[in-house]
Amino acid sequence: DGGITQSPKYLFRKEGQNVTLSCEQNLNHDAMYWYRQDPGQGLRLIYYSQIVNDFQKGDIAEGYSVSREKKESFPLTVTSAQKNPTAFYLCASSRGPVGTQYFGPGTRLLVL
Amino acid sequence: KNEVEQSPQNLTAQEGEFITINCSYSVGISALHWLQQHPGGGIVSLFMLSSGKKKHGRLIATINIQEKHSSLHITASHPRDSAVYICAVTKGGNTDKLIFGTGTRLQVFP
Repeated sequence: DGGITQSPKYLFRKEGQNVTLSCEQNLNHDAMYWYRQDPGQGLRLIYYSQIVNDFQKGDIAEGYSVSREKKESFPLTVTSAQKNPTAFYLCASSRGPVGTQYFGPGTRLLVL
Repeated sequence: KNEVEQSPQNLTAQEGEFITINCSYSVGISALHWLQQHPGGGIVSLFMLSSGKKKHGRLIATINIQEKHSSLHITASHPRDSAVYICAVTKGGNTDKLIFGTGTRLQVFP
């Protein structure tokens, strides 16, 4: 079955730790995205990548980093510089510009 | 002011009712998307449209480009339709970045 997987479903982080959220897709999509969702707010774009080995900052990139070494994978690292990381993180992919985006099931990150 | 506004924020209905969710936007767009987010958090794309009307089963989406307004209608609503419905737009130009509304939480009671 084609789709997007994210792991883990729940993640706990201690203050000062970096954590990496996984996102994998087997849809052969060129573009991939990371969003953050907070209660009462719309999804906000963290980083996106339109092609392998290239990525751009979204609206709230500070405290996050990404890599795109393979077409199928777009991991997101939440660094200790992100002061308020507790949120629901969603990964998505699309075939290209202005296309339908397909979302993964999300990872809920909680800082202890 | 948000570039994408949805109304209402919350909506309750009895099973069988006709439901309308509204979305207004203030920017030039190349497409508008309606998404459904289930209680577990997963998001499914329902429609992408740039003009006119689309229908899928009991769901109908319309867009009026001149008025910068879109509606999502659910006919014969059912408790399984209970979810958050999110409107998002792709700004004009060669970009696939989405701008999201804050969502409409729908609860349908039997």
